[in-house]
Amino acid sequence: GQQVMQIPQYQHVQEGEDFTTYCNSSTTLSNIQWYKQRPGGHPVFLIQLVKSGEVKKQKRLTFQFGEAKKNSSLHITATQTTDVGTYFCAGLGGSQGNLIFGKGTKLSVKP
Amino acid sequence: GAVVSQHPSRVICKSGTSVKIECRSLDFQATTMFWYRQFPKQSLMLMATSNEGSKATYEQGVEKDKFLINHASLTLSTLTVTSAHPEDSSFYICSAPGRGTDTQYFGPGTRLTVL
Repeated sequence: GQQVMQIPQYQHVQEGEDFTTYCNSSTTLSNIQWYKQRPGGHPVFLIQLVKSGEVKKQKRLTFQFGEAKKNSSLHITATQTTDVGTYFCAGLGGSQGNLIFGKGTKLSVKP
Repeated sequence: GAVVSQHPSRVICKSGTSVKIECRSLDFQATTMFWYRQFPKQSLMLMATSNEGSKATYEQGVEKDKFLINHASLTLSTLTVTSAHPEDSSFYICSAPGRGTDTQYFGPGTRLTVL
């Protein structure tokens, strides 16, 4: 079945360092979404990418969608302690129109 | 923006009892809602798709007789964990797609602990 793989599983950075998480799908995605889940919280929608090669920015966050629409990345510049959490990518493509989630990248930021 | 609520947020029950979790879309109608389960340190796993007016669709490996889903109205879906056991302890999250978009709106989740 369709799979969405995400790496790395964990990332520990010093505050101020950059951070990137990568997402790869076994099949072409109609779109890809990114979510952030704070410890103990629920996933919160960050952004959706639809077009091939699309790049979107939200302050220090940069999201990219690959040309083949099978991979995506989230890059955070100059991390802050408020960036702590698990970042999930999710591709739309399940048989029920549901999202298929990557396993997430857990980011910890040392002040 | 669209809001999805869940109740209760946390429940502790004894083994063998049944627990009902409600998922409501507060300011929009949802003909479809999704139920996910998240074990500690793991990703969200889709359990079932709840369809208003028809039977839910369950993912492979999910027991439909154990996890009863009822989509009673366009704004309410319920998940009942029947005869809960400690291995059912998990974080249960529902979501509903926004109208006209592919965005999913997630509920805040329900933490179930079965003793």
